[in-house]
Order: sequence, then structure tokens, then C-alpha cells
Amino acid sequence: GENVEQHPSTLSVQEGDSAVIKCTYSDSASNYFPWYKQELGKRPQLIIDIRSNVGEKKDQRIAVTLNKTAKHFSLHITETQPEDSAVYFCAASMDNNAGNMLTFGGGTRLMVKP
Amino acid sequence: NAGVTQTPKFRVLKTGQSMTLLCAQDMNHEYMYWYRQDPGMGLRLIHYSVGEGTTAKGEVPDGYNVSRLKKQNFLLGLESAAPSQTSVYFCASSYGVLYSNQPQHFGDGTRLSIL
Repeated sequence: GENVEQHPSTLSVQEGDSAVIKCTYSDSASNYFPWYKQELGKRPQLIIDIRSNVGEKKDQRIAVTLNKTAKHFSLHITETQPEDSAVYFCAASMDNNAGNMLTFGGGTRLMVKP
Repeated sequence: NAGVTQTPKFRVLKTGQSMTLLCAQDMNHEYMYWYRQDPGMGLRLIHYSVGEGTTAKGEVPDGYNVSRLKKQNFLLGLESAAPSQTSVYFCASSYGVLYSNQPQHFGDGTRLSIL
């Protein structure tokens, strides 16, 4: 089955700096890669996703890049703010019309220091 | 439009007791999922359903059963709770086969402790 590795497990940045979180996946058939943000005690919330037919997607301060050849994708947050502090999860799935099950990475705890 | 609603929010059980967690969604989603999240770890899929009357095993199905009698509801059962099942349980739902790779929407979670 699919295996998703996420690095780093913790990341501390100064407010205004950029943060980058990287994930690798094992199954070349995976074609959908969402990123979720989870604040303490809350539900995971989708912040951005990318499909395998594009290499990059941007939404304001957040961007995701995908390298299908190397089987890795990354989340980039620019101009970080204290409210960006949370745990971020990457995930991968394959559109197989049989459930689109997500395999999650282990998470990255991002701390933005004011 | 409440989205995905989980009940209860918290529960403490004794080893060997049984209980059912309820997930309800009002978005007319075909697919529904149950995950568990242990401290410092990602979410692991327990069971999922691709439509009313269907269920399938995920990554960690042992010790759990599920039922999807109605499209909007997905129940997760623990027949004989064990301390290893202490976790936070999340339900999620998404559009199904007619929509390619749609995002999963999560409920607020159920915090379950087994003593």
C-alpha cells in the first residue's frame, strides 16, 4: 500500500519568515495530494490540495509543489503569522473509484514565534 | 448546514465494555470514513464506506465494526473495548465516484478513553 513520509516533525520559525514542509510518497499511482491544518483539539481542515496534472498551486500565502518523477510534494507558507501555528498533515490518494482513501504523513508541528 | 457531526464528543469506558460512535453528514456525500489519531501521529484509516449498505476495511480495522444503513450516517462500534483503543476518532466524508478526488471533510472528533 501507499506510504507517506513527512519532514520535519517540528519546525520553528520567526514571524514573517517562510516555512517549508516536505512529503514523499511511495505509490506512483497516487494522483491527489491534500494538505490539512489541525489546531490543538480541533478537526483537520483542508488548506490546499493538488492533483497530479499540475506541478504547482498557490492560494495567497500558501503554495504546494509536486514532483511526480521524484514522488515528493511540499507545502510552502510565506510571511508566516502566529495564527499559522498548528500541526500540518500531508496526504496522498489514488482516484480508483473505490473510496479514494487517504494515506497521511506523520504531521509537522509548526511554531511561529512573534 | 452542519457538515459532519460526531457524537459523543467525549467518552470514558472500562475494558470490555461496548459502545457505538455516530457520524452524521448533511452534504449528501457518498463516501464516509473513520480514522483514529494517536498522540503525535497522523490519522490512520479504520473503515470506510463508498455508499449506503457498503463497508470496507482500512489500515487498522481490528477490534472495530461499522455499519452504513443510511447514506447520511456511518456508525463505528467497539464490541469489547481495550486500552489500546484509547484515541481520538475522526469521521470524514466526501463526494464519491462521479467526482474525481474530492476533499474529505472532517467532524470535530470523539475523545475516547478506555480504562
